[in-house]
Amino acid sequence: AQSVTQPDIHITVSEGASLELRCNYSYGATPYLFWYVQSPGQGLQLLLKYFSGDTLVQGIKGFEAEFKRSQSSFNLRKPSVHWSDAAEYFCAVGGRGGATNKLIFGTGTLLAVQP
Amino acid sequence: NAGVMQNPRHLVRRRGQEARLRCSPMKGHSHVYWYRQLPEEGLKFMVYLQKENIIDESGMPKERFSAEFPKEGPSILRIQQVVRGDSAAYFCASSRQGAGTEAFFGQGTRLTVV
Repeated sequence: AQSVTQPDIHITVSEGASLELRCNYSYGATPYLFWYVQSPGQGLQLLLKYFSGDTLVQGIKGFEAEFKRSQSSFNLRKPSVHWSDAAEYFCAVGGRGGATNKLIFGTGTLLAVQP
Repeated sequence: NAGVMQNPRHLVRRRGQEARLRCSPMKGHSHVYWYRQLPEEGLKFMVYLQKENIIDESGMPKERFSAEFPKEGPSILRIQQVVRGDSAAYFCASSRQGAGTEAFFGQGTRLTVV
């Protein structure tokens, strides 16, 4: 079955520290891959996406993610976290045929940033 | 260029009433997706529509829920005879095409059933 796993429900990091949020997926073929961020009471904002090509993708707000086919992973990273990065982060996959945006989401990782 | 507009942002309904959630896609977008987010969970796909057509409703509950995207006007997600378990945030997303293009999300409608 198709699924997305985000093993970390909550993560707390200090401001200025590096960040890595994990995402593993189970899918029949290589899907499209996405990371979204959701601030409290808000909608989802796309941070970055992988469709094809270079497996290291750059996104907005200084985020990057690396697609590793052998590990079925698409981990999100940021070298130095800012207090404004505190939010919930969702990894998602979409199919290459038909509707890309019929997305399967992980359950999210809630990021807290300590001063 | 306005983003995806959802209204109302908050909706309170008593058990047994009907809830109508509206979604106006971004200009030039003809593909609309509805997702539901239950507390402590990620978003779950409900339905995918193009203008006047339901393309995929595999995530829709079999009863009480329906969706439309008419030729003119917003997409509507309709929940009849709401129950407490329908309380959730409902998000709409739109895209220019179905495959290979980015979807943009609205800010959601938070439905509370009392």
